[in-house]
Amino acid sequence: NAGVTQTPKFQVLKTGQSMTLQCAQDMNHEYMSWYRQDPGMGLRLIHYSVGAGITDQGEVPNGYNVSRSTTEDFPLRLLSAAPSQTSVYFCASSSSGTVSYEQYFGPGTRLTVT
Amino acid sequence: GENVEQHPSTLSVQEGDSAVIKCTYSDSASNYFPWYKQELGKRPQLIIDIRSNVGEKKDQRIAVTLNKTAKHFSLHITETQPEDSAVYFCAATRRSNTGKLIFGQGTTLQVKP
Repeated sequence: NAGVTQTPKFQVLKTGQSMTLQCAQDMNHEYMSWYRQDPGMGLRLIHYSVGAGITDQGEVPNGYNVSRSTTEDFPLRLLSAAPSQTSVYFCASSSSGTVSYEQYFGPGTRLTVT
Repeated sequence: GENVEQHPSTLSVQEGDSAVIKCTYSDSASNYFPWYKQELGKRPQLIIDIRSNVGEKKDQRIAVTLNKTAKHFSLHITETQPEDSAVYFCAATRRSNTGKLIFGQGTTLQVKP
């Protein structure tokens, strides 16, 4: 199993550009989430999904869109990039079962907006 | 909304000493509390977790305690080693929706040889 994969690893955008961060998991997990990590602020939840077709906002959703058309994929869209969105983005997935509640993280995408 | 506070933000100990990191949470319905370790440039990885029906859990040199009444939980690392140096995050959520993890701000632990 590849686990949780993210592409790209690095990205530089200009202010106002749009892009999609890709996330996929091959563990058949129901829950998927996006976090951003900024120095001194921990991991903040952007959006999450409890299953295909169902998404909800987290702590910092403004400026980001998500959709979940399949169990495996959960892309994050930046509609009009701003310097404040410079961050490291992590995707994560977890199972709805009762044996393990662990969230598994992808390797991250480092985004710089100039 | 839900909130998790974590202290201290930095912690420096001598090798062999113990380290304690504390967290408080605001959502009284939270019933799952994981701890993640993140090494520089890497992804967070789960090191231990506790469910609300348990007051303490141990795994070798690592232990976690939970006080539901006070909405407080702590990570204890004994006999620290240089390889324990990393950033540690606590988090809280409901087991019915583990996709909605709320994290603390993180603690940078430095273990001096």
